[in-house]
Amino acid sequence: AQKVTQAQTEISVVEKEDVTLDCVYETRDTTYYLFWYKQPPSGELVFLIRRNSFDEQNEISGRYSWNFQKSTSSFNFTITASQVVDSAVYFCALNDYKLSFGAGTTVTVRA
Amino acid sequence: DTAVSQTPKYLVTQMGNDKSIKCEQNLGHDTMYWYKQDSKKFLKIMFSYNNKELIINETVPNRFSPKSPDKAHLNLHINSLELGDSAVYFCASSQGGGSRADYEQYFGPGTRLTVT
Repeated sequence: AQKVTQAQTEISVVEKEDVTLDCVYETRDTTYYLFWYKQPPSGELVFLIRRNSFDEQNEISGRYSWNFQKSTSSFNFTITASQVVDSAVYFCALNDYKLSFGAGTTVTVRA
Repeated sequence: DTAVSQTPKYLVTQMGNDKSIKCEQNLGHDTMYWYKQDSKKFLKIMFSYNNKELIINETVPNRFSPKSPDKAHLNLHINSLELGDSAVYFCASSQGGGSRADYEQYFGPGTRLTVT
């Protein structure tokens, strides 16, 4: 069995604030992949990052950064200096034979 | 060029009708998927096909039948539509074969199905 928990249902911030989205997962597999997807108000699902279970290096892409900690089974996502365009639902997902999504965190960035 | 396309984008129909949603990908991927997103935004996989072969068939009513005429297309046919089928249905594709979802998936724009 596998499970992805995104404990934060909604987060509201003012533009330029940093926001961190938590993701905790459960799996018995030793090899697995973790993903983050973004779903803006327009509805499409946009792939952000893929990370395998053997690579615990943190990753930064522009204002986005990800912190993977295998010891705590967490794969957290930080948006630095948030902008209104970052307003979206963000999903964390875990694979083994199928991709299982967390419930999503709705981020609202106010101008 | 759209990587993963779905038609129609919106589908409004009455209970008991049969409808189909079409999906096409031009990414050259081997694996395609159907997901259902409910009103609370929860995403759940329904089916997965790899090179036209059914790999994953989650607990989905047999009123839902996927069909893959070739590896670039995966259509979803729904018989005897019910109110509870109202949702957004997403098609996706990824590279890689086999049964594991190791690679990132690219999603279509979604089809909003409303059953009245």
